[in-house]
Amino acid sequence: SQQGEEDPQALSIQEGENATMNCSYKTSINNLQWYRQNSGRGLVHLILIRSNEREKHSGRLRVTLDTSKKSSSLLITASRAADTASYFCATDADTGTASKLTFGTGTRLQVTL
Amino acid sequence: DGGITQSPKYLFRKEGQNVTLSCEQNLNHDAMYWYRQDPGQGLRLIYYSQIVNDFQKGDIAEGYSVSREKKESFPLTVTSAQKNPTAFYLCASTGQGRETQYFGPGTRLLVL
Repeated sequence: SQQGEEDPQALSIQEGENATMNCSYKTSINNLQWYRQNSGRGLVHLILIRSNEREKHSGRLRVTLDTSKKSSSLLITASRAADTASYFCATDADTGTASKLTFGTGTRLQVTL
Repeated sequence: DGGITQSPKYLFRKEGQNVTLSCEQNLNHDAMYWYRQDPGQGLRLIYYSQIVNDFQKGDIAEGYSVSREKKESFPLTVTSAQKNPTAFYLCASTGQGRETQYFGPGTRLLVL
């Protein structure tokens, strides 16, 4: 089962604009992570936000987390053509010894020149 | 793609045939995972292993089998019982901090 639902499913913007994508989830979590996937490739970790954090920054990325609404958002500022990819949120609800992530359905971002 | 390799990049399966996908990591990670990704979808967990000689079923284990005889290797067999095997298969691993997963480049399985 997939815990996360992402919105929008697809997003097309011009270079230089900001891109915002949202993720909603269903159960309590330890942390929420965002990953990027270029077409036909593996996923690359972007950023992790813990359940006791509300906002986190990494370069041009800004992530927010609202545990009361069970939602998160990823903002990419000043987008570039190279940001074109699919972006997935993943939640970690497991308190065991292994990270066990549940992935959302993804947002496909297209950045045009 | 880090220190995780998957082979082959493309794999073709005939009806009734078992095929094995390779996943090797040189990151000294304890935990390894197999995911299936269908077109336009997110990842679904097939199997995962926290230590050598131990593994657990994920959400969609039926029709798949795994082994973990070495820390570096976590092969996935797609058996003939998996009736809809066409998908993109991703292997991942987690290190001591156990939070962030590192992914291989994937294997695309097609049915002839």
